Amino acid sequence: GENVEQHPSTLSVQEGDSAVIKCTYSDSASNYFPWYKQELGKRPQLIIDIRSNVGEKKDQRIAVTLNKTAKHFSLHITETQPEDSAVYFCAAFSGSARQLTFGSGTQLTVLP
Amino acid sequence: SQTIHQWPATLVQPVGSPLSLECTVEGTSNPNLYWYRQAAGRGLQLLFYSVGIGQISSEVPQNLSASRPQDRQFILSSKKLLLSDSGFYLCAWSISQGNTEAFFGQGTRLTVV
Repeated sequence: GENVEQHPSTLSVQEGDSAVIKCTYSDSASNYFPWYKQELGKRPQLIIDIRSNVGEKKDQRIAVTLNKTAKHFSLHITETQPEDSAVYFCAAFSGSARQLTFGSGTQLTVLP
Repeated sequence: SQTIHQWPATLVQPVGSPLSLECTVEGTSNPNLYWYRQAAGRGLQLLFYSVGIGQISSEVPQNLSASRPQDRQFILSSKKLLLSDSGFYLCAWSISQGNTEAFFGQGTRLTVV
């Protein structure tokens, strides 16, 4: 099955700085790559996603890049704010296995 | 609009007792359904997923089981809980093709004592 690895597991940045989280996947049939944000005690919620036919997608301060050849994708958050502090998960959907597999998560802390 | 219901929100169960967590989805047909477990401070571990009634795929062998008796109902069960079963259990759904956003239920915090 699909294997998704996510790094780093924890990340601390100063308010206003950028944060980058990276993920790799193993299944070349994966075609959909969402990113979720989970605040403490709450359910994960989608913040941005990208499909395999696109290399980059941006939504205000958040951007995602995808390198299909290398099988890795990254989340970029610019001008970080304290409310960005949360756990972020990457995921990959395998069209062959029809399942959504998550990375292990990154605890992002934005220091004021 | 589509909604997902998961209950209970919290549960404290003794070791060796049975478990039944229920998840239902409204407003869509033939969804993909998932059960994930999240141990404290850890990632989302896929336990089971289902692409249709009676079709269950297990990702992690353990003392848990899942069933899908109806199109939009997904149940997570155990005959005898272990201490290691404690965690935050999340049900999720996506459209049948699967390559779109997955929506999560509110989660069930299970503590086995």
